Amino acid sequence: AQKVTQAQTEISVVEKEDVTLDCVYETRDTTYYLFWYKQPPSGELVFLIRRNSFDEQNEISGRYSWNFQKSTSSFNFTITASQVVDSAVYFCALSGDNAGNMLTFGGGTRLMVKP
Amino acid sequence: DVKVTQSSRYLVKRTGEKVFLECVQDMDHENMFWYRQDPGLGLRLIYFSYDVKMKEKGDIPEGYSVSREKKERFSLILESASTNQTSMYLCASTKRGGVATEAFFGQGTRLTVV
Repeated sequence: AQKVTQAQTEISVVEKEDVTLDCVYETRDTTYYLFWYKQPPSGELVFLIRRNSFDEQNEISGRYSWNFQKSTSSFNFTITASQVVDSAVYFCALSGDNAGNMLTFGGGTRLMVKP
Repeated sequence: DVKVTQSSRYLVKRTGEKVFLECVQDMDHENMFWYRQDPGLGLRLIYFSYDVKMKEKGDIPEGYSVSREKKERFSLILESASTNQTSMYLCASTKRGGVATEAFFGQGTRLTVV
């Protein structure tokens, strides 16, 4: 069975601080995919990134960066110089190779960025 | 602009009512999903469908059923609503493919059962 754990249920930071959202996963698949989604107050989940299990290269996109470490089964997400607009619930998710695109989600981390 | 549209943002229903939640996507996606979102539990899969008239149970199907008569439309049905089904419901769709593809989500329906 697959499992995704986001231990931080809520994080509060002041604008311009850096913040890291943790994600730990469990799977028996050798090929799998990891995702991060953002859910702003409007409710719609917005896709941020997908990584496959064979690509451990870290990725940076503007103020966002992701650190994938297979050795610790973690896929952490860092926001540099946070802004108020980053306030949202962030979900980490996992999909197996034969799972038919089904996503297993973590419990989510609510990020509050205060001005 | 691609879209997954859920028919209602907010619904209030009475215990025992039959409730229909509708989802429509305009991307010609084969796969459609219904998730339930509760605080601390993330999103949990209720049902999914790989094709018209096909359906598969997810992790928490009890108390729910689904209907997919057309490719673009996937309906979630609460046969007899109960207070423990008060939740946020999210519909999603993906294109069929050999690798996990990006899922597109609707804006969610917040259902309250009183």
